[in-house]
Amino acid sequence: NAGVTQTPKFQVLKTGQSMTLQCAQDMNHNSMYWYRQDPGMGLRLIYYSASEGTTDKGEVPNGYNVSRLNKREFSLRLESAAPSQTSVYFCASVGHARFEQYFGPGTRLTVT
Amino acid sequence: KNEVEQSPQNLTAQEGEFITINCSYSVGISALHWLQQHPGGGIVSLFMLSSGKKKHGRLIATINIQEKHSSLHITASHPRDSAVYICAAPVRVDSNYQLIWGAGTKLIIKP
Repeated sequence: NAGVTQTPKFQVLKTGQSMTLQCAQDMNHNSMYWYRQDPGMGLRLIYYSASEGTTDKGEVPNGYNVSRLNKREFSLRLESAAPSQTSVYFCASVGHARFEQYFGPGTRLTVT
Repeated sequence: KNEVEQSPQNLTAQEGEFITINCSYSVGISALHWLQQHPGGGIVSLFMLSSGKKKHGRLIATINIQEKHSSLHITASHPRDSAVYICAAPVRVDSNYQLIWGAGTKLIIKP
């Protein structure tokens, strides 16, 4: 099992560019989450998906869109990147205990 | 008032010392999640517990549901234990669960 995988690991964008962060899990989990972590700060929830075909906003959804493509994959899209979106992005999925979250390795994004 | 509070915020200790990190929460269902974030950034789930005590290697987590308090202990601490330790309380949102995060405890173990 690879667990939760994320691509890319690193990305540099110019202001206004778009990109999609990919996340996949092979643990047959229903729920998946996208977080951002700014330097010295805790995790903040951007969007989550309770099941295939459903998505909901978290604490900081502005500037992002998500797609739950199938049970395995949950992508995060930045349509027009801004320097304020410079952060480390983590994807997580929830195990069968329903509360314990498993995290991907993160994507370090810099917007110049 | 934060809904999940950790103490201390920072902790520096010598190798071999017994470490205790505390977490008090006022929200959520009766369970608590402990995670570790390595200096390189990766986040690892340590424990999810809803009662009593759990042990994994040199790590021990306890929870008192009535008092809404949990502790994470590290025995015979080692420099490789240096990391940020985070507790999080699951809260129900519609038909799903989200985590309310503590601010984290930055632990440094000196050789």
